[in-house]
Amino acid sequence: GENVEQHPSTLSVQEGDSAVIKCTYSDSASNYFPWYKQELGKRPQLIIDIRSNVGEKKDQRIAVTLNKTAKHFSLHITETQPEDSAVYFCAASPPYGGATNKLIFGTGTLLAVQP
Amino acid sequence: KAGVTQTPRYLIKTRGQQVTLSCSPISGHRSVSWYQQTPGQGLQFLFEYFSETQRNKGNFPGRFSGRQFSNSRSEMNVSTLELGDSALYLCASSLGDSGNEQFFGPGTRLTVL
Repeated sequence: GENVEQHPSTLSVQEGDSAVIKCTYSDSASNYFPWYKQELGKRPQLIIDIRSNVGEKKDQRIAVTLNKTAKHFSLHITETQPEDSAVYFCAASPPYGGATNKLIFGTGTLLAVQP
Repeated sequence: KAGVTQTPRYLIKTRGQQVTLSCSPISGHRSVSWYQQTPGQGLQFLFEYFSETQRNKGNFPGRFSGRQFSNSRSEMNVSTLELGDSALYLCASSLGDSGNEQFFGPGTRLTVL
């Protein structure tokens, strides 16, 4: 079945450094790839997403890249700040069976930004 | 617009009981999905409803069921509760029918004793 692998599971960086989280998906037909940030005790919130017809998308300090051939997509956070500390989830939306908003999530990355 | 709301926020049940969780999507959103979040398994898809129809179902036993009403509000039911059902149950709503941003509710924390 469909699967999304996410690495690393934990990531510690110094404030101001960059952080990169990588995901691999199994269903080549997946066409939508969101990234969610979940702070402790709070709901997941979308931070950026990308569709399969785009290779890269940037929003201020956050960027996502997609390599459809390799079925890889990555989250890049530059100039990290302590408030970036959270669990980050990647996800893929496989379109099998027609229209769907179903998401398959990666296992999450705990990012700790040390001041 | 008000965000996605879920009730109740916390539930404590014993094994064998059943439970019903409720989700009210953002006004105008017709798609509601449910996810189970646990420390060991992460976020796992339960099912998705769109315009009162179940479109997809995840790999969960038949004890897990759901429905969606004409006003897009959704409920999920878990019968014959097991200890392993203890989790945070999140619902998410979307505006369109495919590949759209999902807005999550705060979740219902279910503890099965």
